[in-house]
Amino acid sequence: DADVTQTPRNRITKTGKRIMLECSQTKGHDRMYWYRQDPGLGLRLIYYSFDVKDINKGEISDGYSVSRQAQAKFSLSLESAIPNQTALYFCATSDPSTSGGETQYFGPGTRLLVL
Amino acid sequence: QQQVKQSPQSLIVQKGGISIINCAYENTAFDYFPWYQQFPGKGPALLIAIRPDVSEKKEGRFTISFNKSAKQFSLHIMDSQPGDSATYFCAAGSSASKIIFGSGTRLSIRP
Repeated sequence: DADVTQTPRNRITKTGKRIMLECSQTKGHDRMYWYRQDPGLGLRLIYYSFDVKDINKGEISDGYSVSRQAQAKFSLSLESAIPNQTALYFCATSDPSTSGGETQYFGPGTRLLVL
Repeated sequence: QQQVKQSPQSLIVQKGGISIINCAYENTAFDYFPWYQQFPGKGPALLIAIRPDVSEKKEGRFTISFNKSAKQFSLHIMDSQPGDSATYFCAAGSSASKIIFGSGTRLSIRP
């Protein structure tokens, strides 16, 4: 089974709708992240959480919110979706205790289309 | 100061050739420089990483060259193969900060 899973894998929604993307991990990592990927813009950080009680904004948090329900679960919500939020969304985890550098482990992604 | 600039945006290389992707950073506090590889339909995965105490790290056909004074690092793929066709991201970070990713390079290896 995959260590980092994301649901749904694909989603089509309409402008103004609320949508939630979910991420679960079995790696036992405290740190979790949400990124969006757009062509030519790379991976941009939306929100990150270093433990269950810690939530931090990334570089593009406007229009998004998150919830860290447990160490293993980190959800991303779009309160009122708009077309320019159409993108590929990735969840990732990391372990700061790893010697040599903090590797990020990515889920398979959620492809979101906002009409 | 937090940016990581990556070039080129796309690259086409003949099979057997050398693929070179370049990155530059601004924050001198960065001390960890990984490269991630992403295949279509998959999430990025760590390929190779380097710390600034060495100028080069090699793993198989993949080599990172690091120039601390110029604040630049690059990925070299020797004897490039069609299976290397993917999107590559450089990144930089430190123990005190989160990882910052470059904009990505789409690499295509022609048979």
